[in-house]
This record gives sequence, structure tokens and C-alpha cells, in this order.
Amino acid sequence: GQNIDQPTEMTATEGAIVQINCTYQTSGFNGLFWYQQHAGEAPTFLSYNVLDGLEEKGRFSSFLSRSKGYSYLLLKELQMKDSASYLCAVRVYASGGSYIPTFGRGTSLIVHP
Amino acid sequence: EAQVTQNPRYLITVTGKKLTVTCSQNMNHEYMSWYRQDPGLGLRQIYYSMNVEVTDKGDVPEGYKVSRKEKRNFPLILESPSPNQTSLYFCASSFITGGPNTDTQYFGPGTRLTVL
Repeated sequence: GQNIDQPTEMTATEGAIVQINCTYQTSGFNGLFWYQQHAGEAPTFLSYNVLDGLEEKGRFSSFLSRSKGYSYLLLKELQMKDSASYLCAVRVYASGGSYIPTFGRGTSLIVHP
Repeated sequence: EAQVTQNPRYLITVTGKKLTVTCSQNMNHEYMSWYRQDPGLGLRQIYYSMNVEVTDKGDVPEGYKVSRKEKRNFPLILESPSPNQTSLYFCASSFITGGPNTDTQYFGPGTRLTVL
């Protein structure tokens, strides 16, 4: 089976930097996604990592270490609108050349002034 | 426009009255999935399908049924709803080729179900 762990909740101050960690134990690992979800809305794609290292996209960066089963999402210059839940999802090999995702429980980030 | 649609968006029903939540995608995705989301429990997968006529149980399949007769549609059926199925439901779809962004999941807008 798959096991994905993220902190339940984090708080940070507007303008600051926050790092949301995700650890996983899976078989057939084939990539890790981060999604953002505002309350009551659908998750939306933020980033994807399949190789070790840092991927930067504007204010958001995502890091992956496959040997450690570890990823983090780094959010810089926090804005109030960044208050949301952040979901870590790993993609694993299923069968017949197929790959399917498994989600963690999400980290609720609260940004305050 | 590429999208996943769900209907209804909101539903209040009573225990035992069969209901169906529809899900449709227009991106020719092989993979479709249903999730429920409850406070503190994150997204939990109910059922998924890797192609037409191929469905598999997720983590919490009890009390639900699905079918995949066409590639674009993946309805979720509650034969006899109970109050513990009150939740926010999301349908999602993606390719499953193993490529990078092509395998991004697209989510529907959600269906908020209340069972009294």
C-alpha cells in the first residue's frame, strides 16, 4: 500500500516563507504532485517532480528526494490568498503501463496579516 | 474548454433514497476517479477506473457503486444512502501514460451531499 504523511495545519505571516513537508512510502513510485485547494473548491495543480531536486515556479517551488521519500513545497512572499489546503500526491505504477495517483490528507495553511 | 463536470452540485436527500451523481470529462482521459472529502480526513478515494468497463475499489468503497460504460462518463451511485455518506464528493480524470504534466488530474467542481 501507499503511505503519505503531511502536517495537518501550519500558520504563517503575510510576506514570509513557509515550507510544507511530505513524506511517503510507496512501491512503484513515478512522480509527486502538489495541489492547492481553497475551501469548498476543487484541487488545482501546482507542481510535479519526478527527478531529485528543486523545481521553481514563480513564488512556489517544489523539492524531491526519492532516496529519502521526501518532498517539500516552498511558498515565498506569502499572500493572504495563499491560505488554502496543500495536497501532496504520489503517482505509482499500477499495471499494464498505467500510473495512478494517491493523495495525502493535505496541509491546511493559514496566512495571517 | 477542457473540463470535468459533475451534477448535481448540491443535493439534500433522505436515508435510503437511491441517487446518482454524474461525472463527465471531455479530454479523452482513460483514468477517472471518485473521492470524498471530510474535515480532517483529506481526499479519500472511493472507486477508480482505468478505462471503459474497468473499475476498481479505492480506500472507502462501501455503500457506493460505479460504472464506466463510456470513456467520458463515470457516475457514482448510492443505492441506499446513509447519513455517514454526507460529504463533499469530487470526480477527477487524467491520462495514465506515465508522462509528466499530461498525467495531471483535473477535478470537477464538487458535489456537496447531505443525507438526512
